[in-house]
Formats: sequence, structure tokens, C-alpha cells
Amino acid sequence: AQSVSQHNHHVILSEAASLELGCNYSYGGTVNLFWYVQYPGQHLQLLLKYFSGDPLVKGIKGFEAEFIKSKFSFNLRKPSVQWSDTAEYFCAVNAPGSGNTGKLIFGQGTTLQVKP
Amino acid sequence: DAGVIQSPRHEVTEMGQEVTLRCKPISGHDYLFWYRQTMMRGLELLIYFNNNVPIDDSGMPEDRFSAKMPNASFSTLKIQPSEPRDSAVYFCASSLHSTNTEAFFGQGTRLTVV
Repeated sequence: AQSVSQHNHHVILSEAASLELGCNYSYGGTVNLFWYVQYPGQHLQLLLKYFSGDPLVKGIKGFEAEFIKSKFSFNLRKPSVQWSDTAEYFCAVNAPGSGNTGKLIFGQGTTLQVKP
Repeated sequence: DAGVIQSPRHEVTEMGQEVTLRCKPISGHDYLFWYRQTMMRGLELLIYFNNNVPIDDSGMPEDRFSAKMPNASFSTLKIQPSEPRDSAVYFCASSLHSTNTEAFFGQGTRLTVV
């Protein structure tokens, strides 16, 4: 069965610090990969997605992620965080091919707290 | 489009009562998903529909849970009878049949069963 593991459950950073959140998945085939963000009290919003092509994916708000197939990883990065990045971040995987990109397996989430 | 619309945003009910959560997907989307978010289990898929037909309900925890999609613009998730352990945030999401688009999530319904 597919699973997604996020290594960091709670991260605390100061503004301007660099961020890297780890995500590993277990699935032997081709996958679609996503990072969603959930700001306090709000719904999940897509940060970025990987379907194919360039393994370095750029998303909104200065976030990027790198797909490393050999490591089954899709880590999220941002060079300089802001207080407004305080949120919960979810990595998710989906098995492609069926045209159904909403059937997602989510990681447990990482809570990011940015101190001003 | 206004996005995926869920109602109510918050629901507090007593144990044993029936609860109905509602969702309006994005117009034109042919997949609809119900997810549940809890501290213990994180985000988990309960059921999803394709063209109004339930495809996979293996995530529905118990027979007390049921979901319907009578038409392309409306779905309900019902819990009857509700129990305190059903307290969670329930998200509805919709997506288009495509190989390169993502799912869009609603604001969620925060359910508290006391």
C-alpha cells in the first residue's frame, strides 16, 4: 500500500531562515506528488505539484520542491521564510494513469511556526 | 467559480443525533472526494465519486456513515447516529478528469459531537 512519511512534525524557525521539509513516499510505480498548505482555520491550498518533467518544481509564494526518484523523496524548500508562512504543510501522493488526481494519500503533516 | 463550497462551516451536535454535511463541487468537475482530518489519523479519504457514482467507499469507517451524490452539483455525507469520536474536520474536494490537474478543497466542516 502507498504511504507518505513526513519527517518533521513541528518546525520552528525565525524569519529569513531557510526551510526544508522532508517527504518520502512508498510506491513502486510512477506517482504524482503534491504539497498542500493549510493556514490556520482555512482549507488546503495547493503549493506545488509534480507530474512529470523537470524534477525541480517551483510553486507559489517562493516555495519549490525537488523530486528525487531514487530516494522516493519530494522535499519542500524555501530560502527565506516569512511570518505569514506559519501553517501546516502536507505532502501527498497519487498514482497517475487513471485521470484521477484527487485520490490522495497524505502525510501526517508538518506544523511550521515562524517567529517574527 | 467560487470553488468547492461546504456547509455548514461548524456543527455542534449531541451524541446520537443525525448529522448531514453538504458539498457543492466546482462546476464541471467529475470527481468528488470526502476527506476527514483528525489529530490522530491525519487526512484520510472516506469516499469518492466519479460522475455521481460512488467508486471507492473503503475509507468509510462504519455503517453509520453514508454519502450520496444525487447530481453533479451536490453531495452529502451523513452520520447517523453520531458519536464523539466522529468529531473532526470534514473536507470535500473536487477534481477534473485529467492527468495534470490537482484536486481543489473546500473550507471544511468542523464537526463536534458532545
